[in-house]
Amino acid sequence: DQQVKQNSPSLSVQEGRISILNCDYTNSMFDYFLWYKKYPAEGPTFLISISSIKDKNEDGRFTVFLNKSAKHLSLHIVPSQPGDSAVYFCAASGSDGDMRFGAGTRLTVKP
Amino acid sequence: DAGVIQSPRHEVTEMGQEVTLRCKPISGHNSLFWYRQTMMRGLELLIYFNNNVPIDDSGMPEDRFSAKMPNASFSTLKIQPSEPRDSAVYFCASSAAGGTRGEQFFGPGTRLTVL
Repeated sequence: DQQVKQNSPSLSVQEGRISILNCDYTNSMFDYFLWYKKYPAEGPTFLISISSIKDKNEDGRFTVFLNKSAKHLSLHIVPSQPGDSAVYFCAASGSDGDMRFGAGTRLTVKP
Repeated sequence: DAGVIQSPRHEVTEMGQEVTLRCKPISGHNSLFWYRQTMMRGLELLIYFNNNVPIDDSGMPEDRFSAKMPNASFSTLKIQPSEPRDSAVYFCASSAAGGTRGEQFFGPGTRLTVL
């Protein structure tokens, strides 16, 4: 059961433009969401998170938006840089401790 | 801090053999997580510990898998007997947040190949 879905396996963006990565979830018990970035041969690294009491959280070039009614969140990166090229995982956590990850989206930022 | 340390980084074994993966969490972190990453299923949470106590092992695929955390600085994930379908990258992560909330710090992973 895929409770967290990242429907786009890959995304290619020009340097300087906006990257938008999407994530959908089905479990209404999820109330805390995180984005992780992963480079090859390394473990995922935390990027940004958002609680369900908010609909937006911003950290520098990274902004996460949460639409609870649609059970959808997105990560915006602006401006995109070549160093942002990585696999991005969306994760969702519930108060019961359940945690699920999406399958990941590979972002390529072209110079 | 050295971050989360995992060993070995690569493991190649034959079907039926016992495999033990090791993890040293970041000092002071009270939660530890084991994940498995495969092409088919992505990143799956297998089990996590709070203060060395297993909290949720519902992600452990079969009885062949077991995990222990004898103290705050060491955990193992054991597969006995191993099967080719266990081939994956296994990540360990630790967190100071307690439970599945908050930022987790991942180790570099162990790439397991079962022939």
